[in-house]
Amino acid sequence: KAGVTQTPRYLIKTRGQQVTLSCSPISGHRSVSWYQQTPGQGLQFLFEYFSETQRNKGNFPGRFSGRQFSNSRSEMNVSTLELGDSALYLCASSPVRGITDTQYFGPGTRLTVL
Amino acid sequence: GQQVMQIPQYQHVQEGEDFTTYCNSSTTLSNIQWYKQRPGGHPVFLIQLVKSGEVKKQKRLTFQFGEAKKNSSLHITATQTTDVGTYFCAGVNRDDKIIFGKGTRLHILP
Repeated sequence: KAGVTQTPRYLIKTRGQQVTLSCSPISGHRSVSWYQQTPGQGLQFLFEYFSETQRNKGNFPGRFSGRQFSNSRSEMNVSTLELGDSALYLCASSPVRGITDTQYFGPGTRLTVL
Repeated sequence: GQQVMQIPQYQHVQEGEDFTTYCNSSTTLSNIQWYKQRPGGHPVFLIQLVKSGEVKKQKRLTFQFGEAKKNSSLHITATQTTDVGTYFCAGVNRDDKIIFGKGTRLHILP
C-alpha cells in the first residue's frame, strides 16, 4: 500500500497570508490527524477527522481549521499566518482512531512564514 | 494543563551500551504510544501500551507502562547505530487528548 502523502512538501509564505495543506491517507484508513512540530514545543496535536467530521481538537486558535472529504483526504488551513506558525506540519492516518490505533505519519509539509 | 514530561532530553551512548528514556504524566492515561523519528524523517509508530503494569518487547526494545498508568519507559539493550533518532512518548488522557513528550534524542558513539 502507498503511504501517507502530503503536499506540498515545502512552503514559504508571508505574515498575514493563508495556507492550505493537503494529506492523502493510506487507502482504507478513515481517520486523519494533524500535528504541528516545532523545535520549541515539540509535537502538538491539532485535530482529528473521521468520516468527514472533526472528532477531536487540540488547543490551537481558530485560525487553524481543517476538513475531510468523502475519500478520506484531508486539508488543513491556516489563516492570517504569524511568524510562530513556521513549523513542520504532519498528518497521520489510522484505520479507525488515531489515539488508539497505530498512526502512520506522512513526510510532512515544512511551512516557513516570513 | 496536562503535561507529559520526557527525560532525558539528550542521551549519548557508546555503541553496545543500553539506553532508557522515561515519560511521566501529570494525570492518569488511557494508553501511551511510543514513536521513533530519524533525523530529517517523520515519526514512526513503535508500540501502544494500554494495561496497567504492561510490559512489551520488540527485539532489543522493552516498553513498560506503570501500575498507576502515569509513567512509561523505553529501554534499548545493546544499542546499534541504527537506533539513532528521537524517541517520543504520546499519552492519551481520559478526555481522548493525545499529548506528546518533547522526546529524547539518542546519539550513538561508534
